[in-house]
Amino acid sequence: KAGVTQTPRYLIKTRGQQVTLSCSPISGHRSVSWYQQTPGQGLQFLFEYFSETQRNKGNFPGRFSGRQFSNSRSEMNVSTLELGDSALYLCASSLDRPPNYTFGSGTRLTVV
Amino acid sequence: SQQGEEDPQALSIQEGENATMNCSYKTSINNLQWYRQNSGRGLVHLILIRSNEREKHSGRLRVTLDTSKKSSSLLITASRAADTASYFCATEGDTSGTYKYIFGTGTRLKVLA
Repeated sequence: KAGVTQTPRYLIKTRGQQVTLSCSPISGHRSVSWYQQTPGQGLQFLFEYFSETQRNKGNFPGRFSGRQFSNSRSEMNVSTLELGDSALYLCASSLDRPPNYTFGSGTRLTVV
Repeated sequence: SQQGEEDPQALSIQEGENATMNCSYKTSINNLQWYRQNSGRGLVHLILIRSNEREKHSGRLRVTLDTSKKSSSLLITASRAADTASYFCATEGDTSGTYKYIFGTGTRLKVLA
């Protein structure tokens, strides 16, 4: 079966712009979580969606938002990009509730 | 702050040797997981150990959990070059089932052929 698909794989944006990242979970998985990975901070939890509702949220500013659609696909949006938002953004899905995530390959965002 | 702290930060061994990495965490947990990440890619789930388990095996992997010391170790036996990756432990921030997993800082393992 297909894995977790994240698009795009790479993205370069300018400070102040906004960006939308997409994640298609494994078929049947209803929980989608997002993580930011940077060399300095490691993996940090952004939020988790389940059945189109945000079930958990990490400690990120309101510029980071997300949503989940009825087919479980999820998007995350970052507005007013800052240089420090440059990171690998990872999406992970699970059947109902974590654990045992299946991760996507990530979207590498570079803010210049 | 990080829930899990892996030790060592980096490890370099010869093929065929065993690799041991440790994880310490701060709060009570329901379970602890180990993941592997190849350079710049997504994470792959390796093994989950529940708080009432002390040891678990999966192929060449052996995980131990000591809840009294709030620590876990991952042992990879007979390492191969393909094991070269970063390894992370992940725990829930608490036992309320919030599914907000917190990852450690990772151990970078290099296996030399």
